[in-house]
Amino acid sequence: DAGVIQSPRHEVTEMGQEVTLRCKPISGHDYLFWYRQTMMRGLELLIYFNNNVPIDDSGMPEDRFSAKMPNASFSTLKIQPSEPRDSAVYFCASAGLAGKGDTQYFGPGTRLTVL
Amino acid sequence: AQSVTQLDSHVSVSEGTPVLLRCNYSSSYSPSLFWYVQHPNKGLQLLLKYTSAATLVKGINGFEAEFKKSETSFHLTKPSAHMSDAAEYFCVVSDQGNTPLVFGKGTRLSVIA
Repeated sequence: DAGVIQSPRHEVTEMGQEVTLRCKPISGHDYLFWYRQTMMRGLELLIYFNNNVPIDDSGMPEDRFSAKMPNASFSTLKIQPSEPRDSAVYFCASAGLAGKGDTQYFGPGTRLTVL
Repeated sequence: AQSVTQLDSHVSVSEGTPVLLRCNYSSSYSPSLFWYVQHPNKGLQLLLKYTSAATLVKGINGFEAEFKKSETSFHLTKPSAHMSDAAEYFCVVSDQGNTPLVFGKGTRLSVIA
Protein backbone atom coordinates (compact mmCIF):
# COMPACT_ATOMS: atom_id res chain seq x y z
CA ASP A 1 0.00 0.00 0.00
CA ALA A 2 1.26 3.49 -0.80
CA GLY A 3 0.15 4.87 2.55
CA VAL A 4 -1.62 8.18 3.00
CA ILE A 5 -0.92 10.51 0.11
CA GLN A 6 -1.03 14.27 0.41
CA SER A 7 -0.60 16.97 -2.19
CA PRO A 8 0.95 19.36 -2.67
CA ARG A 9 3.94 18.79 -0.38
CA HIS A 10 4.71 22.49 -0.31
CA GLU A 11 2.49 25.45 -1.02
CA VAL A 12 3.44 29.10 -1.02
CA THR A 13 0.69 31.61 -1.56
CA GLU A 14 -0.18 35.20 -0.90
CA MET A 15 -2.59 36.44 1.69
CA GLY A 16 -6.15 36.41 0.45
CA GLN A 17 -5.70 33.57 -1.98
CA GLU A 18 -7.62 30.31 -1.82
CA VAL A 19 -5.64 27.23 -0.84
CA THR A 20 -6.75 23.63 -1.36
CA LEU A 21 -4.95 20.73 0.27
CA ARG A 22 -5.64 17.19 -0.85
CA CYS A 23 -5.52 13.80 0.81
CA LYS A 24 -5.93 10.21 -0.30
CA PRO A 25 -6.36 7.86 2.68
CA ILE A 26 -5.27 4.24 2.87
CA SER A 27 -7.72 2.06 0.98
CA GLY A 28 -10.28 0.47 3.28
CA HIS A 29 -9.84 2.94 6.13
CA ASP A 30 -13.08 4.39 7.45
CA TYR A 31 -11.70 7.36 9.35
CA LEU A 32 -9.90 10.39 8.01
CA PHE A 33 -8.38 13.15 10.11
CA TRP A 34 -6.96 16.57 9.31
CA TYR A 35 -4.36 18.07 11.66
CA ARG A 36 -2.40 21.29 11.76
CA GLN A 37 1.07 21.52 13.30
CA THR A 38 2.78 24.74 14.36
CA MET A 39 5.63 25.50 16.71
CA MET A 40 3.38 27.51 18.98
CA ARG A 41 0.38 25.21 19.24
CA GLY A 42 1.80 21.79 18.43
CA LEU A 43 -0.42 19.24 16.69
CA GLU A 44 -4.10 20.19 16.56
CA LEU A 45 -6.99 18.09 15.29
CA LEU A 46 -9.05 20.19 12.90
CA ILE A 47 -11.76 17.79 11.75
CA TYR A 48 -12.39 14.11 11.24
CA PHE A 49 -14.66 12.02 9.03
CA ASN A 50 -16.19 8.58 9.41
CA ASN A 51 -17.44 6.92 6.24
CA ASN A 52 -17.10 10.25 4.41
CA VAL A 53 -19.31 12.08 6.93
CA PRO A 54 -17.82 14.90 9.04
CA ILE A 55 -18.15 13.88 12.69
CA ASP A 56 -16.41 16.62 14.62
CA ASP A 57 -15.24 19.92 13.17
CA SER A 58 -14.84 21.73 16.46
CA GLY A 59 -11.14 22.14 15.80
CA MET A 60 -11.63 24.11 12.62
CA PRO A 61 -10.34 27.55 13.55
CA GLU A 62 -12.63 29.77 11.53
CA ASP A 63 -15.21 29.84 8.80
CA ARG A 64 -12.39 30.40 6.37
CA PHE A 65 -11.59 26.72 6.77
CA SER A 66 -13.70 24.00 5.19
CA ALA A 67 -13.20 20.30 4.56
CA LYS A 68 -14.96 17.81 2.35
CA MET A 69 -14.80 14.11 1.68
CA PRO A 70 -16.78 13.42 -1.49
CA ASN A 71 -15.82 9.74 -1.54
CA ALA A 72 -13.86 7.17 0.43
CA SER A 73 -10.62 7.85 -1.38
CA PHE A 74 -10.38 11.62 -1.39
CA SER A 75 -10.62 14.58 0.94
CA THR A 76 -9.85 18.27 0.67
CA LEU A 77 -9.11 21.00 3.17
CA LYS A 78 -9.74 24.48 1.83
CA ILE A 79 -8.75 27.84 3.24
CA GLN A 80 -10.43 30.86 1.73
CA PRO A 81 -9.16 33.53 2.10
CA SER A 82 -5.78 32.50 3.46
CA GLU A 83 -3.89 34.56 6.05
CA PRO A 84 -0.25 34.52 7.19
CA ARG A 85 -1.24 32.94 10.52
CA ASP A 86 -2.46 29.89 8.60
CA SER A 87 1.15 29.05 7.79
CA ALA A 88 1.75 25.57 9.20
CA VAL A 89 2.21 21.95 8.26
CA TYR A 90 -1.11 20.24 7.58
CA PHE A 91 -1.30 16.49 8.05
CA CYS A 92 -3.90 14.04 6.93
CA ALA A 93 -4.22 10.68 8.68
CA SER A 94 -6.47 7.66 8.26
CA ALA A 95 -7.53 4.83 10.54
CA GLY A 96 -9.35 1.56 10.08
CA LEU A 97 -12.44 -0.11 11.47
CA ALA A 98 -11.20 -0.47 15.04
CA GLY A 99 -12.34 3.01 15.87
CA LYS A 100 -11.43 6.63 15.90
CA GLY A 101 -8.98 6.00 18.70
CA ASP A 102 -7.07 3.31 16.87
CA THR A 103 -3.71 3.63 15.18
CA GLN A 104 -3.63 6.48 12.74
CA TYR A 105 -1.42 6.46 9.69
CA PHE A 106 -0.11 9.85 8.73
CA GLY A 107 0.71 11.34 5.39
CA PRO A 108 3.92 13.29 4.81
CA GLY A 109 2.17 16.62 5.29
CA THR A 110 1.72 19.80 3.30
CA ARG A 111 3.87 22.74 4.35
CA LEU A 112 1.82 25.88 3.77
CA THR A 113 3.38 29.32 3.71
CA VAL A 114 1.10 32.32 3.38
CA LEU A 115 2.96 35.54 2.62
CA ALA B 1 -11.85 13.78 29.12
CA GLN B 2 -8.45 12.40 28.38
CA SER B 3 -5.20 14.34 28.36
CA VAL B 4 -1.50 13.64 28.17
CA THR B 5 1.51 15.46 29.59
CA GLN B 6 5.01 15.00 28.29
CA LEU B 7 7.23 16.05 31.13
CA ASP B 8 10.24 17.15 29.10
CA SER B 9 10.16 19.34 26.02
CA HIS B 10 13.76 18.45 25.17
CA VAL B 11 15.99 15.52 26.13
CA SER B 12 19.63 15.23 25.15
CA VAL B 13 21.62 11.99 25.44
CA SER B 14 24.93 10.70 24.25
CA GLU B 15 25.04 7.99 21.62
CA GLY B 16 25.03 4.56 23.23
CA THR B 17 23.40 5.72 26.49
CA PRO B 18 19.83 4.95 27.61
CA VAL B 19 16.85 7.01 26.54
CA LEU B 20 13.93 7.89 28.81
CA LEU B 21 11.06 10.02 27.56
CA ARG B 22 8.40 10.61 30.18
CA CYS B 23 4.65 10.71 29.70
CA ASN B 24 1.74 10.94 32.12
CA TYR B 25 -1.85 10.58 31.05
CA SER B 26 -5.33 11.26 32.34
CA SER B 27 -8.23 9.13 31.23
CA SER B 28 -11.72 8.38 32.45
CA TYR B 29 -11.63 4.86 31.09
CA SER B 30 -9.12 2.21 30.22
CA PRO B 31 -7.00 4.10 27.74
CA SER B 32 -5.26 3.19 24.56
CA LEU B 33 -1.78 4.71 24.59
CA PHE B 34 0.64 5.31 21.76
CA TRP B 35 4.05 6.72 21.03
CA TYR B 36 4.64 8.32 17.65
CA VAL B 37 7.93 9.59 16.24
CA GLN B 38 8.42 12.44 13.80
CA HIS B 39 11.72 12.89 12.04
CA PRO B 40 12.51 16.34 10.63
CA ASN B 41 10.24 17.31 7.76
CA LYS B 42 8.45 13.97 7.89
CA GLY B 43 5.04 12.71 8.93
CA LEU B 44 4.35 10.88 12.19
CA GLN B 45 5.15 7.19 12.45
CA LEU B 46 3.79 4.78 15.03
CA LEU B 47 6.46 3.46 17.40
CA LEU B 48 4.29 1.32 19.65
CA LYS B 49 0.79 0.94 21.06
CA TYR B 50 -0.77 -0.23 24.33
CA THR B 51 -4.37 -1.49 24.32
CA SER B 52 -4.90 -3.32 27.64
CA ALA B 53 -2.86 -6.40 26.85
CA ALA B 54 0.68 -6.77 28.20
CA THR B 55 1.79 -3.75 30.20
CA LEU B 56 5.26 -3.80 28.67
CA VAL B 57 4.98 -2.96 25.03
CA LYS B 58 7.79 -3.43 22.54
CA GLY B 59 7.97 -1.24 19.48
CA ILE B 60 10.13 -0.66 16.48
CA ASN B 61 13.82 0.31 16.55
CA GLY B 62 14.40 -1.11 20.02
CA PHE B 63 11.96 1.16 21.84
CA GLU B 64 9.62 -0.05 24.53
CA ALA B 65 7.15 1.49 26.96
CA GLU B 66 5.58 0.31 30.18
CA PHE B 67 2.00 1.07 31.14
CA LYS B 68 1.76 1.81 34.88
CA LYS B 69 -1.83 2.41 35.90
CA SER B 70 -0.98 3.28 39.50
CA GLU B 71 1.32 6.04 38.30
CA THR B 72 -0.75 6.94 35.21
CA SER B 73 2.47 6.82 33.25
CA PHE B 74 3.59 5.45 29.90
CA HIS B 75 7.28 6.27 29.66
CA LEU B 76 9.27 5.43 26.54
CA THR B 77 12.69 3.83 26.88
CA LYS B 78 15.52 2.49 24.79
CA PRO B 79 18.68 0.86 26.20
CA SER B 80 21.12 2.49 23.80
CA ALA B 81 20.55 5.63 21.75
CA HIS B 82 21.53 5.83 18.13
CA MET B 83 22.12 8.97 16.12
CA SER B 84 19.13 8.09 13.94
CA ASP B 85 16.85 8.30 17.01
CA ALA B 86 17.11 12.09 17.00
CA ALA B 87 13.53 13.22 16.37
CA GLU B 88 10.35 14.53 17.98
CA TYR B 89 8.38 12.01 20.04
CA PHE B 90 4.69 12.28 20.83
CA CYS B 91 2.80 10.48 23.57
CA VAL B 92 -0.85 9.95 22.63
CA VAL B 93 -3.97 8.79 24.48
CA SER B 94 -7.48 7.70 23.53
CA ASP B 95 -10.31 6.58 25.80
CA GLN B 96 -10.98 2.94 24.86
CA GLY B 97 -10.67 3.79 21.20
CA ASN B 98 -13.93 5.68 21.35
CA THR B 99 -12.48 9.14 21.16
CA PRO B 100 -10.02 10.68 18.75
CA LEU B 101 -6.36 10.57 19.66
CA VAL B 102 -5.11 13.32 21.95
CA PHE B 103 -1.47 14.23 21.37
CA GLY B 104 1.04 15.52 23.87
CA LYS B 105 3.13 18.54 22.97
CA GLY B 106 6.11 16.43 22.07
CA THR B 107 9.63 15.79 23.34
CA ARG B 108 12.56 16.59 21.13
CA LEU B 109 15.30 14.00 21.48
CA SER B 110 18.85 15.02 20.61
CA VAL B 111 21.61 12.43 20.36
CA ILE B 112 25.17 13.61 20.78
CA ALA B 113 28.04 11.74 19.17
